[in-house]
Amino acid sequence: AQTVTQSQPEMSVQEAETVTLSCTYDTSESDYYLFWYKQPPSRQMILVIRQEAYKQQNATENRFSVNFQKAAKSFSLKISDSQLGDAAMYFCAYRLGNYGQNFVFGPGTRLSVLP
Amino acid sequence: KAGVTQTPRYLIKTRGQQVTLSCSPISGHRSVSWYQQTPGQGLQFLFEYFSETQRNKGNFPGRFSGRQFSNSRSEMNVSTLELGDSALYLCASSLLGLEQYFGPGTRLTVT
Repeated sequence: AQTVTQSQPEMSVQEAETVTLSCTYDTSESDYYLFWYKQPPSRQMILVIRQEAYKQQNATENRFSVNFQKAAKSFSLKISDSQLGDAAMYFCAYRLGNYGQNFVFGPGTRLSVLP
Repeated sequence: KAGVTQTPRYLIKTRGQQVTLSCSPISGHRSVSWYQQTPGQGLQFLFEYFSETQRNKGNFPGRFSGRQFSNSRSEMNVSTLELGDSALYLCASSLLGLEQYFGPGTRLTVT
């Protein structure tokens, strides 16, 4: 079974600084997708970024970028120029490439942004 | 486009009762997934429906069931509620089952 691990239950970052959240996953498949979701205190989960396993180029969305190391099964999220609104729970998620497969989520990392 | 909506937002039930939660996906999305979120277990997948058919199911007892209607709206039912069923229940919709868009959740408290 696929598993997703986030080894940092909590992290903090100073406003305007950069922070990296770690995620590792376990799979024997080659075709899959990885995601980072953000859940602010209001509770609505928001998709932050997506990475296709077949793509070597790391995905980037504005201040958010990933470091995807397929061989190491690592998928970290870098947040640059952190803002107060970035404070949230961040979940790493995995999904097989086959149509109709469910998502597997990591336990989450709670990020605090200090003014 | 309106986002995923879930009703009710909050619910308090007594052990042994049953409950039905509703989810309306983003217009045009045919896939609806349900998750249970608790502090101890995190986000756990319940089931996914696509075009009124259950396409995938997580490891939950048969007390948890769901269905999807022809307009893609979905309901989740939990029968014979237990204290451990207290959780935030999240619904997510997807166009093709890839990127999921979540609703605000229903907070269920079982007393």
